[in-house]
Order: sequence, then C-alpha cells, then structure tokens
Amino acid sequence: KAGVTQTPRYLIKTRGQQVTLSCSPISGHRSVSWYQQTPGQGLQFLFEYFSETQRNKGNFPGRFSGRQFSNSRSEMNVSTLELGDSALYLCASSSLSGGTEAFFGQGTRLTVV
Amino acid sequence: QQQVKQSPQSLIVQKGGISIINCAYENTAFDYFPWYQQFPGKGPALLIAIRPDVSEKKEGRFTISFNKSAKQFSLHIMDSQPGDSATYFCAASIGGSARQLTFGSGTQLTVLP
Repeated sequence: KAGVTQTPRYLIKTRGQQVTLSCSPISGHRSVSWYQQTPGQGLQFLFEYFSETQRNKGNFPGRFSGRQFSNSRSEMNVSTLELGDSALYLCASSSLSGGTEAFFGQGTRLTVV
Repeated sequence: QQQVKQSPQSLIVQKGGISIINCAYENTAFDYFPWYQQFPGKGPALLIAIRPDVSEKKEGRFTISFNKSAKQFSLHIMDSQPGDSATYFCAASIGGSARQLTFGSGTQLTVLP
C-alpha cells in the first residue's frame, strides 16, 4: 500500500511569489491535514480537509489556503511568500475524519529567498 | 500559546539505557496523546498513543506513562539502541483522534553505541 505522497520534495521561491504544494493521501483515506515544521516554531497545524470540506484551521494568515479534490488529493497554496514561510510542509492522512492514526508524508521543503 | 511543553530538548544515552522524555499539557479537553518519531528527511511516524482512561501503555520497548491529575505524560524507551536516535515529538488532540494535533517542541535523542 503506497504511503502519503507529497510533491515536489524541494522548492525554491522568491519573496512575493506564490506556491502550490500537493499531497496524495493513502488510498481510501479521506482526511488530509497539513502542518508547517520550522526549527523555531516546531510542528504547527495549518488545516484539515475531509470530503472536500475544510474542517479545522490553525492560526495562520489568510495567505495560506488549501483545497481537497473528490479523489481526496489535497493542495495547499501560499500567496505573497515571505522569508518566514521557509519550512518543511507536511501532509498527513487518516482513514476517517477523526481517524486515530495520522500517516505523514516526507514533506515539501520550501525555501523562500 | 504553547499548549504542550516537552523536555528535555536533547538527550544522550548509552546503548542499553533507558530514555525518558516528558510532556505536560494545559488544555484539559485533550483526550488523545500520541508520540511520533522523526528521522532526518522523513515525516513523523506514530510510535505509540494513549488515551486518558489508562495510566500506562506498553508496546515493545516503548512505554507511555500518563498522569491525568498532573496533566503530564512521558515516553520511556527501554534498552535504547543506536537506531532509536531520532527526534521524538509528543502531541495531543481533542476528540480522541489524530486530527488537529498540537505538538511539543521535540527531543533530539542520541543513543551512543
């Protein structure tokens, strides 16, 4: 069974640009959550999607947005990139909204220059 | 507001020793407490999890101890091995599930051969 797949693995963007990251959950999983991991702030919850609906949102500015498609694949978008957005962005999938285990992908390393 | 406090930040133990990592939480609504292990370049992977209706859970060499009244929980790694060298995160969530996890700041464990 394939795990959670995140693409791309690495990304370099310029300040002010926007970026879209993709996450394909484990087959059959309908819940996808996104997290930002930085050395200073650690792992922070961004948002969760279930059946194409955003269920929860963390304390991040509106520049961070996401969506989920009917096949459960999810994308997150960051507009007007800032240097502080440089981070590892992790996606996690669960079998149901409220599944007791979250399976994480390897993440997308975003560097903003 | 950091809702889950984790200590120590780093830990060095000898092979065969016991590694102990502690976490304390503030939000009494938390009812699911997982521990994740993360290797460099990888996403976090679930190690073991506990709910507040039990005081201890053991899986192989890994044990969670939970003290509801003190709002604390800890991970014990028995017979620590060099392959256990990784970063460990405690986490907590509401609703008994892995959605919207609040993570501790992480502990860098090094097991010396």
